[in-house]
Amino acid sequence: QKEVEQDPGPLSVPEGAIVSLNCTYSNSAFQYFMWYRQYSRKGPELLMYTYSSGNKEDGRFTAQVDKSSKYISLFIRDSQPSDSATYLCAMRGNTGNQFYFGTGTSLTVIP
Amino acid sequence: NAGVTQTPKFRVLKTGQSMTLLCAQDMNHEYMYWYRQDPGMGLRLIHYSVGEGTTAKGEVPDGYNVSRLKKQNFLLGLESAAPSQTSVYFCASLAGQGILNFGAGTRLSVL
Repeated sequence: QKEVEQDPGPLSVPEGAIVSLNCTYSNSAFQYFMWYRQYSRKGPELLMYTYSSGNKEDGRFTAQVDKSSKYISLFIRDSQPSDSATYLCAMRGNTGNQFYFGTGTSLTVIP
Repeated sequence: NAGVTQTPKFRVLKTGQSMTLLCAQDMNHEYMYWYRQDPGMGLRLIHYSVGEGTTAKGEVPDGYNVSRLKKQNFLLGLESAAPSQTSVYFCASLAGQGILNFGAGTRLSVL
């Protein structure tokens, strides 16, 4: 079983839609949860960062962590064509130096 | 402040040839990482370093060597390239609060 599971998509939505992206994980020691956005032929860039459980909001983006279910989500409100990218979830524990990534979900927002 | 810089951006090798990928960061970060990204596989850790003069194996280290002679540079070497090493390679450094900063990537094709 992989440490982190993520539906690869692809996901295609009309402009203005609400997008929900999700990851599940198996390691209860994970404490840091991140979402990276990767545009085509570019490196991943940090989008959202959450420590432990709860919600975090930044503009149109909301990250949720449910540690009891080992489930994290990223919501994008009022999606824009510029949101078209691959979204990678990532996580790590309090100790150790390694990050664990999902395989990424490809999102296309159609104008 | 250039962040994380990778060179070269593109390279084509023949099977059996050797090459070195260079990663440089100007943020005085201790931890640096080398990942490869393949379709459907996500980001996989090759090697990482927790400081100058130290290296450690990641998930897929076979066929690669690394060196961290200077804090700002992390080199990834392929001694005898194989077609299975065709991939996009990303370097990253670890900022405070556990955030990875990625370079733009190196696209490598091994024929």
